[in-house]
Amino acid sequence: EAQLVESGGGLVKPGGSLRLSCAASEFTFNNAWMSWVRQAPGKGLEWVGRIKSRTDGGTTDYAAPVKGRFTISRDDSENTLYLQVTSLKIEDTAIYYCVTDSRTKYAFDMWGLGTMVTVSS
Amino acid sequence: DIQMTQSPSSLSASVGDRVSITCRASHSISTFLNWYQQKPGKAPKLLIYGASTLHSGVPSRFDGSGSGTYFTLTISSLQPEDFATYYCQQGYVTPRTFGQGTRVELK
Repeated sequence: EAQLVESGGGLVKPGGSLRLSCAASEFTFNNAWMSWVRQAPGKGLEWVGRIKSRTDGGTTDYAAPVKGRFTISRDDSENTLYLQVTSLKIEDTAIYYCVTDSRTKYAFDMWGLGTMVTVSS
Repeated sequence: DIQMTQSPSSLSASVGDRVSITCRASHSISTFLNWYQQKPGKAPKLLIYGASTLHSGVPSRFDGSGSGTYFTLTISSLQPEDFATYYCQQGYVTPRTFGQGTRVELK
């Protein structure tokens, strides 16, 4: 069964950094466009950013609140997606979900379980 | 950015009820509108994409409609497992944007 498993979350001080990982299995990861979506405690869903497949250019797009601080990358040889988060702010506290960003459905059709990032002094 | 506005923010209903949730986009998004269901402590799941196409495995009691700026999610006969929060999301442009969510609670 296809799945996504995030890791790397934790407690970090304001201004700190983390690298989140998302291990993909049982689907053709290298063809997939991938996004990160986050959810602050008790709040709604917020798209963070996307990376296209390498064959589609491998380009990235980011939401305004994280642009310049967050970087999405991928290692197709390891079927792994990454989210490097830097200059963290209190308001970045959230569950971060790795999702497949379907090019045919224009929807997030598979979600990981999420990894929690808490930014606190 | 395209703003997505859902109504109501919450609703109370009974098993067997027909419920509808609306989603409005600040600009036309054709039919690039998706619906997700999220239960407490769980990741969201895709229910409907392209405004009206049921994702694999989604029961037929879920129905989506609309185009342009106005969309509706209808559950024809609410089941116990349907009590959850529902989000709409536009897939028309980046940044992808979500509605604020509609919580469906047991009356």
